[in-house]
Amino acid sequence: KAGVTQTPRYLIKTRGQQVTLSCSPISGHRSVSWYQQTPGQGLQFLFEYFSETQRNKGNFPGRFSGRQFSNSRSEMNVSTLELGDSALYLCASSTWGEYSTEAFFGQGTRLTVV
Amino acid sequence: GIQVEQSPPDLILQEGANSTLRCNFSDSVNNLQWFHQNPWGQLINLFYIPSGTKQNGRLSATTVATERYSLLYISSSQTTDSGVYFCVVDSLIQGAQKLVFGQGTRLTINP
Repeated sequence: KAGVTQTPRYLIKTRGQQVTLSCSPISGHRSVSWYQQTPGQGLQFLFEYFSETQRNKGNFPGRFSGRQFSNSRSEMNVSTLELGDSALYLCASSTWGEYSTEAFFGQGTRLTVV
Repeated sequence: GIQVEQSPPDLILQEGANSTLRCNFSDSVNNLQWFHQNPWGQLINLFYIPSGTKQNGRLSATTVATERYSLLYISSSQTTDSGVYFCVVDSLIQGAQKLVFGQGTRLTINP
């Protein structure tokens, strides 16, 4: 079956602009979570969605937001881009459960802010 | 929150060598996974192993949940094993998935 799909794969934006990234989870997976990877900070949790509801959010400024649609596809948006937002953004999907289950990651979107 | 420490941070080996990567975590976990990040950034699932031992070809993993550590073994290393290996745990938040990553072990296999 198809894996987690993230689009676009690469993106170059200018400081001050906004950007929207997309993540389509594995069919049947209802939880989607987002992570930012930078050389200095490693991989950090952004937020998690399940059934169109944000259940948990990491320590990121309000410029980072997201949403999930009824088909479980998720988008994350970063407004007023800063140079420090340059990173690899990864999303993960997993099945529903009372507790977390095995997660699968997409190929990531590499964002460069100039 | 939960802390995940991986060791060693860097490991350089010759092809054919064996290696052991360690992951220590600071609190009880409901989920522990090992991933290999390829040069293009994708995280490849290796093991979902909250406890016990699993083997997949040249790779095996053991998690001792009561002692809060996990080990990843790679035998007869190949150059394609190079990359960063991450140990990832959940933060035991009921009803929400929040994964916490270690800093990774960068493995370099030389021919």
